[in-house]
Amino acid sequence: DVKVTQSSRYLVKRTGEKVFLECVQDMDHENMFWYRQDPGLGLRLIYFSYDVKMKEKGDIPEGYSVSREKKERFSLILESASTNQTSMYLCASRYLRADRASEAFFGQGTRLTVV
Amino acid sequence: AQSVSQHNHHVILSEAASLELGCNYSYGGTVNLFWYVQYPGQHLQLLLKYFSGDPLVKGIKGFEAEFIKSKFSFNLRKPSVQWSDTAEYFCAVNDDGSKSTFGDGTTLTVKP
Repeated sequence: DVKVTQSSRYLVKRTGEKVFLECVQDMDHENMFWYRQDPGLGLRLIYFSYDVKMKEKGDIPEGYSVSREKKERFSLILESASTNQTSMYLCASRYLRADRASEAFFGQGTRLTVV
Repeated sequence: AQSVSQHNHHVILSEAASLELGCNYSYGGTVNLFWYVQYPGQHLQLLLKYFSGDPLVKGIKGFEAEFIKSKFSFNLRKPSVQWSDTAEYFCAVNDDGSKSTFGDGTTLTVKP
């Protein structure tokens, strides 16, 4: 079974803090993603990576950065946390297939509260 | 940019009722379509997917979905829901790029 593991289930941080969310997958997937999930807004893509050291902005990258130094690990960084970044953060990974038919595998999510 | 619309934000059904959740996407090219489910307290997981062939696909737990290319739709169905189907359901599309686009989600509540 594919496993995507996020480092924390719940996190409380103060406004202005630098926050690191870590994600590790164990299936050698090329693609990794960070989403945030908010009620009524579904999943919105923050950043994704299709290879080590490669990254692309998603739909809502402002206030976030990412790092992918190893294939299995994809980190999301909040440079200076703000209250509007309080959310559920989901990490996902999937194979890169030419026919785009591969599904995403998700971590359990990190519920971040910024106070 | 690709967009995915789920018509119902919250659906409430009694056990044994039939379910249909609507999903429409905007991209006109070749797509791969997915339904994911998130049970309370659990991670998102795949329910079913379409990538080619028979437009009627079957997934886990008795769910099925029909891809209608002319309508840009991929509606999810189940003939008889159970209390354990209470969850949030997301439709998603993979298009030409590496990323998936998700709908806003539909919360299904099944009353026992």
